[in-house]
Amino acid sequence: DTAVSQTPKYLVTQMGNDKSIKCEQNLGHDTMYWYKQDSKKFLKIMFSYNNKELIINETVPNRFSPKSPDKAHLNLHINSLELGDSAVYFCASSQGTANQPQHFGDGTRLSIL
Amino acid sequence: DAKTTQPPSMDCAEGRAANLPCNHSTISGNEYVYWYRQIHSQGPQYIIHGLKNNETNEMASLIITEDRKSSTLILPHATLRDTAVYYCTSRGSGGSYIPTFGRGTSLIVHP
Repeated sequence: DTAVSQTPKYLVTQMGNDKSIKCEQNLGHDTMYWYKQDSKKFLKIMFSYNNKELIINETVPNRFSPKSPDKAHLNLHINSLELGDSAVYFCASSQGTANQPQHFGDGTRLSIL
Repeated sequence: DAKTTQPPSMDCAEGRAANLPCNHSTISGNEYVYWYRQIHSQGPQYIIHGLKNNETNEMASLIITEDRKSSTLILPHATLRDTAVYYCTSRGSGGSYIPTFGRGTSLIVHP
C-alpha cells in the first residue's frame, strides 16, 4: 500500500521540453506539497495546496505550474526545461498544516540533457 | 518560522544509543519540533514530533528542553539501517506557514 506515489520515478529529457510529474496520495489528507532537492541535498518547498487551493508558492519560476484536480492529486507541469531544473522532486501530503506529520513520496529524479 | 541548526555529521556504534542534537532558539510557542530522516535515494521519513513534552514512539524518543530552544532525538539502539540524514524542523499552524528543512545531520552507524 503506497501512501504517496509519484510517477515517473526517473525522467531524462532534453532542455526546452515540457514535462509533467504526477503525485497521488491515498491517506485521505487535505494538504499536498512539492519539494525540490538539489545536488547539495537542500530540500526546498515549492508549492502547497490545501483542499485544492494554492496556499504556498515559493518564488518558483512560472515555468512550473502545479495542478490539483482533487485533494488526492497534485501534479507538477514544467515548461521549457532548463539545465538547472535537474534535481529530485518530492511530493508530500499531510492532514492540515500544523501538528500532523508530512508523508513523502520516493521522489522523481529529473535529469536535463 | 524558526531556523534550526544541527551538526553536519555524527557517527555511532551499532547497538549504542545515537543522540542527535538540534538548536531551534527562535522557535515560537505554537511551533512543533519535527524530526525526519532520509535514507539514501528515498523520500524523507517522519520519525517523531513534539511541542513541549518529551515524546516516545517505536522509532525514537524526543527530548525537548524546558525553554524549547533545543531538542535531542534519541535512537536507543542504533542499527546499520539507521544510517541516514536526520532533519530537525519546526512547524507552526496556519496555511501560510512555510516548512523548511536545513542541511540535517548525516548519521553513520558503524559495526
